[in-house]
Amino acid sequence: ELKVEQNPLFLSMQEGKNYTIYCNYSTTSDRLYWYRQDPGKSLESLFVLLSNGAVKQEGRLMASLDTKARLSTLHITAAVHDLSATYFCAVAYSGYALNFGKGTSLLVTP
Amino acid sequence: DGGITQSPKYLFRKEGQNVTLSCEQNLNHDAMYWYRQDPGQGLRLIYYSQIVNDFQKGDIAEGYSVSREKKESFPLTVTSAQKNPTAFYLCASSILINGGEQFFGPGTRLTVL
Repeated sequence: ELKVEQNPLFLSMQEGKNYTIYCNYSTTSDRLYWYRQDPGKSLESLFVLLSNGAVKQEGRLMASLDTKARLSTLHITAAVHDLSATYFCAVAYSGYALNFGKGTSLLVTP
Repeated sequence: DGGITQSPKYLFRKEGQNVTLSCEQNLNHDAMYWYRQDPGQGLRLIYYSQIVNDFQKGDIAEGYSVSREKKESFPLTVTSAQKNPTAFYLCASSILINGGEQFFGPGTRLTVL
């Protein structure tokens, strides 16, 4: 059974600070996705990571994938309030179905 | 506009009733998925379909049923056998190449009265 673990589950950080969210998974997969969810809303795709060593950046967010360590990271640089949301990592299994982590609820404060 | 639509946005069900959630996509995606989200939790896969007239159970299929008669449509029925159906239901679709990124609909919030 593929297990996906995110940490931390809750994160409160000040504007301007940096932080990293971690996503570990238990079995081999070469496809990992990061999504953002605002309260009461659906999921928005952030990054698609398809190979070992993949790194993608969009604005203040950067995601990376290490398939050998079964680890992905989502790094936040100089956080701003607009980044407050819940972030999910999801790992592909059984074709294209996804197994999601529990999410990291991020609150950026002044 | 291309996208995924779900209806209704909110749904209230009495115990013992079956209800059907609609999911339609005009992205020409082959695959469609249904997920359930409970408060403070990640998404759990209910059913998925990679081709018309074929679908597979996910991790929590008990008490749910689906059909895939058209490429664009993947309705989910929540039956009376589902003991705790109150949740947020999300439909997604994807192509089956180039990473298979899933795109999500706006969701249906189901409440059992």
